Amino acid sequence: AQKITQTQPGMFVQEKEAVTLDCTYDTSDPSYGLFWYKQPSSGEMIFLIYQGSYDQQNATEGRYSLNFQKARKSANLVISASQLGDSAMYFCAMRNNQGGKLIFGQGTELSVKP
Amino acid sequence: SAVISQKPSRDICQRGTSLTIQCQVDSQVTMMFWYRQQPGQSLTLIATANQGSEATYESGFVIDKFPISRPNLTFSTLTVSNMSPEDSSIYLCSVWGTGLTYEQYFGPGTRLTVT
Repeated sequence: AQKITQTQPGMFVQEKEAVTLDCTYDTSDPSYGLFWYKQPSSGEMIFLIYQGSYDQQNATEGRYSLNFQKARKSANLVISASQLGDSAMYFCAMRNNQGGKLIFGQGTELSVKP
Repeated sequence: SAVISQKPSRDICQRGTSLTIQCQVDSQVTMMFWYRQQPGQSLTLIATANQGSEATYESGFVIDKFPISRPNLTFSTLTVSNMSPEDSSIYLCSVWGTGLTYEQYFGPGTRLTVT
């Protein structure tokens, strides 16, 4: 069975500093994708970044990068130069490329301090 | 990417009533997904809706409680039937990105409160 684990219920970071949000996963499928979403208090789910299991390089999107360590089954999100607007819930998710079902972790609440 | 809209954005409903949530996508997509997020919880998949066939429900969700329609490739509805306070949640529809992409996008959500 597939499983996503986020062990940090809450994180604090100083504005302009970098922060790493942890995510580990478990799957027996060889082909899968890993996702990170941001959910502000408004409730919308904002897609941030995607990493395919066969991708050789770590994904990057602006200030977001995904530290993909396949052997360790980890897919940590790194946010560089944190901004006050980054304060939100962050969810890690996984989907095998056959079924299309996205499975989510429990989320990490990030607070950026001025 | 895909642009997704949902109606209503929020509603307060009486127990025992039903609410239909609409999801509109700006491009044709094969699969549409409906998720539920209960207060303080993560997202859980309710069902997958393919155009022209019956929706596929996840364990714990049944068609009588959450009937889904998928009349065309850009639109779907989810009905929450015979509501109870436990149905108070955010309901989100989701689609894969268009073109050669594995990205997955969500609508803005419908925040439902049942009193």
